[in-house]
Amino acid sequence: DAEITQSPRHKITETGRQVTLACHQTWNHNNMFWYRQDLGHGLRLIHYSYGVQDTNKGEVSDGYSVSRSNTEDLPLTLESAASSQTSVYFCASSETGTYGYTFGSGTRLTVV
Amino acid sequence: KQEVTQIPAALSVPEGENLVLNCSFTDSAIYNLQWFRQDPGKGLTSLLLIQSSQREQTSGRLNASLDKSSGRSTLYIAASQPGDSATYLCAVYGSGGSNYKLTFGKGTLLTVNP
Repeated sequence: DAEITQSPRHKITETGRQVTLACHQTWNHNNMFWYRQDLGHGLRLIHYSYGVQDTNKGEVSDGYSVSRSNTEDLPLTLESAASSQTSVYFCASSETGTYGYTFGSGTRLTVV
Repeated sequence: KQEVTQIPAALSVPEGENLVLNCSFTDSAIYNLQWFRQDPGKGLTSLLLIQSSQREQTSGRLNASLDKSSGRSTLYIAASQPGDSATYLCAVYGSGGSNYKLTFGKGTLLTVNP
């Protein structure tokens, strides 16, 4: 069955370190997204991609970057982790023209 | 900037009760609206998608309506069950058919008591 997987599920890192969160989907969807979920803020869009080599900034993109070298993967990199980036991160994908979203199970990141 | 508000923030009901969750958005120029369910520590599961030309969608005991002109959507849950306990999230797509980004509300935490 097609799926979208995120890794790791949990990560603890130190302030200032570079961290990469993985997202891999086997739906063959064109569109991929990264959201963060925080108490009091709900889900907010970090970056998104509508295809290979396409990346765009979302609402809260400062301190984050993504790259899309193939259809299946959209890794999220925190260039220099900060305590404000402690959050739960969700990756999602959707197919152009259908609008239905599929979400991964999330990565809980703690920056100490 | 689009803002999505969900009322109430939390709701506790006895099993068997019918209930309504509310969602409002500030920019009526949305394309589609989607309702999700999130269980504790889990990802989001899509419940209902209302496309731009539709006014409502139904799936089993769930019915969602959309009134773009007033900037409102409701999710009706009939005959609630303890297994319905979860956080329900409303999300809107931006205007234009090629805009696939979602703006989320903060959710309604539903507890159905046996």
